[in-house]
Amino acid sequence: GQNIDQPTEMTATEGAIVQINCTYQTSGFNGLFWYQQHAGEAPTFLSYNVLDGLEEKGRFSSFLSRSKGYSYLLLKELQMKDSASYLCAVNNDYKLSFGAGTTVTVRA
Amino acid sequence: DVKVTQSSRYLVKRTGEKVFLECVQDMDHENMFWYRQDPGLGLRLIYFSYDVKMKEKGDIPEGYSVSREKKERFSLILESASTNQTSMYLCASSFIAGSTDTQYFGPGTRLTVL
Repeated sequence: GQNIDQPTEMTATEGAIVQINCTYQTSGFNGLFWYQQHAGEAPTFLSYNVLDGLEEKGRFSSFLSRSKGYSYLLLKELQMKDSASYLCAVNNDYKLSFGAGTTVTVRA
Repeated sequence: DVKVTQSSRYLVKRTGEKVFLECVQDMDHENMFWYRQDPGLGLRLIYFSYDVKMKEKGDIPEGYSVSREKKERFSLILESASTNQTSMYLCASSFIAGSTDTQYFGPGTRLTVL
């Protein structure tokens, strides 16, 4: 079976940093995706980690430790438009298994 | 620009009706997927297809079937809709099986079964 856990909600202030953790136990692993989903919209791709370590992409960074079954998404210099759900998904061949998502609320 | 479209944004049906949800992608992708998204449960895979006329069950296929007659189109069918199938349905596509290519999602269809 697949078990992917992430916090349900997080709140942070504009300009701050927030770290969203994701732990997983899955039958297979080819990589880990992070998606952003604004309310009422489709999920959109943020990052993909295959190897251990940190991948930085502008204000967003993603980290993976395969031995620990752990990833995090780091959002820096938070903006109001970053208020959204963030989905962690494990890639097993061409199938994705998703966590329930973390809703991030950015306050002024 | 990548595009996945779904036939309806909102749909209301009655219990027992046959429901068709259509998805079209214009990226010549091999793989197509149907998910449902429910609060607290995240996205769950219903069915996927890695080629025309090919289909495989996902994690929750019961009560659903699919059809892929053309590469760009993947249909989800609810043979006899039930109230527990009220949900947001998302279609996605991706290029190559087992690759690092992301899945691209459509805008979703919010289905209500009364």
